[in-house]
Amino acid sequence: NAGVMQNPRHLVRRRGQEARLRCSPMKGHSHVYWYRQLPEEGLKFMVYLQKENIIDESGMPKERFSAEFPKEGPSILRIQQVVRGDSAAYFCASSSTGTAVPGRSGYTFGSGTRLTVV
Amino acid sequence: QKEVEQNSGPLSVPEGAIASLNCTYSDRGSQSFFWYRQYSGKSPELIMFIYSNGDKEDGRFTAQLNKASQYVSLLIRDSQPSDSATYLCAVVDSGTYKYIFGTGTRLKVLA
Repeated sequence: NAGVMQNPRHLVRRRGQEARLRCSPMKGHSHVYWYRQLPEEGLKFMVYLQKENIIDESGMPKERFSAEFPKEGPSILRIQQVVRGDSAAYFCASSSTGTAVPGRSGYTFGSGTRLTVV
Repeated sequence: QKEVEQNSGPLSVPEGAIASLNCTYSDRGSQSFFWYRQYSGKSPELIMFIYSNGDKEDGRFTAQLNKASQYVSLLIRDSQPSDSATYLCAVVDSGTYKYIFGTGTRLKVLA
């Protein structure tokens, strides 16, 4: 039973390009959460999605960032026109429950995508 | 703005000693508290959670919670070099029910 799978592990983009980060939840999980970890900072909540629905995007920057979780396939975090400040590690987690609450077992995070904007 | 505060460290302890990691939080209504360990370049992994005041022990780890003082700590007994990592404290926001993470404390266990 594979865990949360993220790819790519490392992504380098030039300023102005687009970055696409993928997250496949654990088997049987239909809820995905994206977090961003800036250098020397804690993890910050970005967005919570269910299949075909965005439940809570209160942590997403208003511009350039979008997320989806289609009926088939992985969840995608998309960053358009990347800037140097977008360089960070992006983690996703998944759960089988219907809230953003970590639950008594906490989250299992994927291995993350480290985005570097040059 | 609800916050979770941790000393960034590094906290250096000799092998075999007790490492004490501390975390304070501002949300008085928080009920759920988690400790994650994150090795350099890796993802956070859950090591402990605690909900009730007092101590909770799991192997070499003990989590301590004092809701009146809004303080949660993690003790690591018989510290090993393999415990060297950043330890993240996470608190569930009582209003939004999302995690609020501290910035982490970097622990170095010296062989």
